[in-house]
Amino acid sequence: LAKTTQPISMDSYEGQEVNITCSHNNIATNDYITWYQQFPSQGPRFIIQGYKTKVTNEVASLFIPADRKSSTLSLPRVSLSDTAVYYCLVEPYSGAGSYQLTFGKGTKLSVIP
Amino acid sequence: NAGVTQTPKFQVLKTGQSMTLQCAQDMNHNSMYWYRQDPGMGLRLIYYSASEGTTDKGEVPNGYNVSRLNKREFSLRLESAAPSQTSVYFCASSHTGTGGYEQYFGPGTRLTVT
Repeated sequence: LAKTTQPISMDSYEGQEVNITCSHNNIATNDYITWYQQFPSQGPRFIIQGYKTKVTNEVASLFIPADRKSSTLSLPRVSLSDTAVYYCLVEPYSGAGSYQLTFGKGTKLSVIP
Repeated sequence: NAGVTQTPKFQVLKTGQSMTLQCAQDMNHNSMYWYRQDPGMGLRLIYYSASEGTTDKGEVPNGYNVSRLNKREFSLRLESAAPSQTSVYFCASSHTGTGGYEQYFGPGTRLTVT
């Protein structure tokens, strides 16, 4: 299964746009890219998922280049409540190979007032 | 609709004791998962169940057993607890099928083994 690499930590001021990039060089043809958010003492929470190009929902955008070897989570105008750890996960669709899921260490985002 | 529930929330065990962590979901999901998260680390998959009656080992299955009792419930058992199993345990569930799927996580069980 594709291994992911993310920055360990990032700082941002309130109101700024934050972009977190994840590399997944050996992503397979049928793999999806999913981002999760985790607050202290809570389970991860789904943010966004995509296969290629750009996906946008009410909280974030996900940019995936044509070669799909990386992806970028974009959080528009962050607030203090966005301080959390963000995980990039490469998942096979249809559940095949799911027993190999590994979240990695994630990116700790700190939003500064 | 409670989502994914886990019991207990906290547990302290002595080395060698056994216990079962319970997980239940009410979203009619086929797939269920058990993860552990050590301080400052990401989540590592212990076991996975694609459907009732089936289970597969994940990255760190040693020292654990699981039971997919029915579609709703997936339990994790520590037969002889060790200090290295001190961790936060998360259960999750998801649909299985074509297309991507998202996992829904429970609140976690904080386990300390002394």
